[in-house]
Amino acid sequence: EAGVTQFPSHSVIEKGQTVTLRCDPISGHDNLYWYRRVMGKEIKFLLHFVKESKQDESGMPNNRFLAERTGGTYSTLKVQPAELEDSGVYFCASSQNLPSGGNEQYFGPGTRLTVT
Amino acid sequence: AQSVSQHNHHVILSEAASLELGCNYSYGGTVNLFWYVQYPGQHLQLLLKYFSGDPLVKGIKGFEAEFIKSKFSFNLRKPSVQWSDTAEYFCAAGSYNTDKLIFGTGTRLQVFP
Repeated sequence: EAGVTQFPSHSVIEKGQTVTLRCDPISGHDNLYWYRRVMGKEIKFLLHFVKESKQDESGMPNNRFLAERTGGTYSTLKVQPAELEDSGVYFCASSQNLPSGGNEQYFGPGTRLTVT
Repeated sequence: AQSVSQHNHHVILSEAASLELGCNYSYGGTVNLFWYVQYPGQHLQLLLKYFSGDPLVKGIKGFEAEFIKSKFSFNLRKPSVQWSDTAEYFCAAGSYNTDKLIFGTGTRLQVFP
């Protein structure tokens, strides 16, 4: 079974440019999450999809960030325009939707974004 | 506010030494607790989790953690570390009715042969 995949693994862009990160969850996982780790800090939750619907987007920093999950499969996270403080590692995770709750999240390798 | 604290940012041990990494949480309501590990060049993977029941939880690779409700703690332990345990370890908290995880800042463990 393939794990969570993310593309690209590393992106270097200039301030003001646009970047789109992609996440492919484990097949059959309805839940998809985005997290971000700024250097030296904790991993912070950004948002949670259940299928194609945004369940919780309380962690999205501002309106320069747009996440989509059309069709409930892969997800994209677009940053437009990018700022220096957006640099960090963006993790995607997915989990099944079990009735018992507290679903185990499987993480992807992350995309390291550097804004110069 | 919900938060997770990891007090040890960088731990250096020799092989066969015992390990204990601290984790304290502040979380309203019923809490689920996790330890994740990220080996060099690899993605985050789950070491162990606590949802309910026996507060002593055993995970993969000989790791265990104890949930002490009165101390709001979930410390990770291993009696004898190996060089291959060199990695970054993250404590995280969630709840029954939300999958959103709150992470600590991570502890970088270096084990020397």
